[in-house]
Amino acid sequence: DIQMTQSPSTLSASVGDRVTITCRASQSISNLLAWYQQEPGKAPKLLIYKASSLESGVPARFSGSGSGTEFTLTISSLQPDDFATYYCQQYHSYPYTFGQGTKLEIK
Amino acid sequence: QVQLVQSGGGLVKPGGSLRLSCVASGFTFSDFYINWIRQAPGKGLEWVSCISGTDYTVYYADSVKGRFTISRDNAKNSVYLQMDSLRAEDTAVYYCARALGSNDYWGQGTLVTVSS
Repeated sequence: DIQMTQSPSTLSASVGDRVTITCRASQSISNLLAWYQQEPGKAPKLLIYKASSLESGVPARFSGSGSGTEFTLTISSLQPDDFATYYCQQYHSYPYTFGQGTKLEIK
Repeated sequence: QVQLVQSGGGLVKPGGSLRLSCVASGFTFSDFYINWIRQAPGKGLEWVSCISGTDYTVYYADSVKGRFTISRDNAKNSVYLQMDSLRAEDTAVYYCARALGSNDYWGQGTLVTVSS
């Protein structure tokens, strides 16, 4: 199985900050990686697919990059709605696997 | 608009069974794989199972293989997750999600609690 490792597990930041979350795969997954945002008590929301493609309706301050085993999610200028938990997921091969999550907290 | 509406969660004793349903609308159902993904209380997301759109190919996580069965009825725009031999560690919110690789639309989630 492909292991997905996110870092950091928790990130404290302020409104207006630029933040980056990293996701590493235990083997190459090409660009078959998605990023999700989850607010407490809600279903996850797709932000990025194919590592760098922005899902329709998602603000342009979200961007993704990477290929192979190293990926990043960047939020260029944090807004109050962005404080949530973020997950990466590989869909290169079954079983599809998620990172353990990064909780973005208000500093 | 695309919607996935789930039903069927609840409290069940260890060793018991439960069937989850996910009814889709707003898109051509047979064009899409459907995933089941779960989240234990206070934990991260875990992919559980997947079924393809037309040939009904299925995939399972090792943690549920042999105990859970995914199926679909394209005439009813529905996907099901039959969960047998349930264990305490199966306690989670279960989500169905539309998939073309990534999961772009999700159901509202349904809580399954396995406890005596």
